[in-house]
Amino acid sequence: DAMVIQNPRYQVTQFGKPVTLSCSQTLNHNVMYWYQQKSSQAPKLLFHYYDKDFNNEADTPDNFQSRRPNTSFCFLDIRSPGLGDAAMYLCATSRGTGEGTDTQYFGPGTRLTVL
Amino acid sequence: AQTVTQSQPEMSVQEAETVTLSCTYDTSESDYYLFWYKQPPSRQMILVIRQEAYKQQNATENRFSVNFQKAAKSFSLKISDSQLGDAAMYFCAYNSRSQGNLIFGKGTKLSVKP
Repeated sequence: DAMVIQNPRYQVTQFGKPVTLSCSQTLNHNVMYWYQQKSSQAPKLLFHYYDKDFNNEADTPDNFQSRRPNTSFCFLDIRSPGLGDAAMYLCATSRGTGEGTDTQYFGPGTRLTVL
Repeated sequence: AQTVTQSQPEMSVQEAETVTLSCTYDTSESDYYLFWYKQPPSRQMILVIRQEAYKQQNATENRFSVNFQKAAKSFSLKISDSQLGDAAMYFCAYNSRSQGNLIFGKGTKLSVKP
């Protein structure tokens, strides 16, 4: 089945130690998104790629970076994780029809713990 | 700016009964899409139902249906014959041609009692 895959599902890191989360998709979608979701809150968009074009949300901290080496993969790099960065990180994809509105499909998420 | 409001932080329903989750939104656009997503505890967020604003007919997906009132900017989700597996956080979301990205409500936590 076509899907959005996130690895690892659980990640533990130390305060200040860089960490990378990965997302892959077999849907062949043009758009990939990264969200941060804290407990009992709605997902908060960090950034997205439309193909190779990177779009950063204005309030996304510089501590968060992303890479998309090809259509299938996208990475979230947290350069110096703080305690406040502990959260669920969700990857999502959409076809990118050019109409500006299409359905997003989510991966299972990676739960990040910062010690 | 567009906003999405879910006024019910928590709801509870008896198994096999019907429950309605509320969602209102604010926009000045005429062309947009509305979504309900379901997120079970520690599980994946999945799309429940989608409604195109230009369609007058309310969307339905098996036991899930919406009541879309465009003039009132209301988009409620009705779950019929509730099952234990329906227990989850439900997010209402908005998207539009100009917005490009999803705007989520704060969510409603639904509990299903056996």
